Amino acid sequence: GESVGLHLPTLSVQEGDNSIINCAYSNSASDYFIWYKQESGKGPQFIIDIRSNMDKRQGQRVTVLLNKTVKHLSLQIAATQPGDSAVYFCAEMFDGGATNKLIFGTGTLLAVQP
Amino acid sequence: GAVVSQHPSWVICKSGTSVKIECRSLDFQATTMFWYRQFPKQSLMLMATSNEGSKATYEQGVEKDKFLINHASLTLSTLTVTSAHPEDSSFYICSGKTRSDTQYFGPGTRLTVL
Repeated sequence: GESVGLHLPTLSVQEGDNSIINCAYSNSASDYFIWYKQESGKGPQFIIDIRSNMDKRQGQRVTVLLNKTVKHLSLQIAATQPGDSAVYFCAEMFDGGATNKLIFGTGTLLAVQP
Repeated sequence: GAVVSQHPSWVICKSGTSVKIECRSLDFQATTMFWYRQFPKQSLMLMATSNEGSKATYEQGVEKDKFLINHASLTLSTLTVTSAHPEDSSFYICSGKTRSDTQYFGPGTRLTVL
């Protein structure tokens, strides 16, 4: 049968430019958010996180912005490099009862052109 | 950061056989481990939450009798795919949770069922 939803959103940028990857999360009760980078055939790699009591957090070359009003999260990568090419997932955590659960977004493929 | 390993990294099996995947936290104790499944070009889907010494909690739609999870120690969880069929072919990823909410992911196991 035909498959749907198998095409990841793609962001194509030139090397050296800044990248902005967006994510809409689903649960207004989520209080912890993480961005992961996943290279082909590998597990997700932690990039940066932010708690709901903050609206901005900076790391090395990366910044995460949180807008709780519209349930929106973004990841900004400065001076994007070819090694940044990967799929980026946002994840939200909320109280799942006994254990907090991490729920992943759909992902965005970042393609860096040299 | 903390390191999680998975074994095997890649396995091919015949339809009807069972396959065991190991997930180990190498330098930390993980009271909680999670198992995810990821189909090509899709996001990670949480299958189950595994707490050391207790029964796993499965997500809706995941058959507990088909995906057997054992979390016998603070550093080891296993996922056994019983009577595997081609539709079970996927990328299986585990993660271990530290004392904080941070999850560290394994490199994944690619399962192909013929």
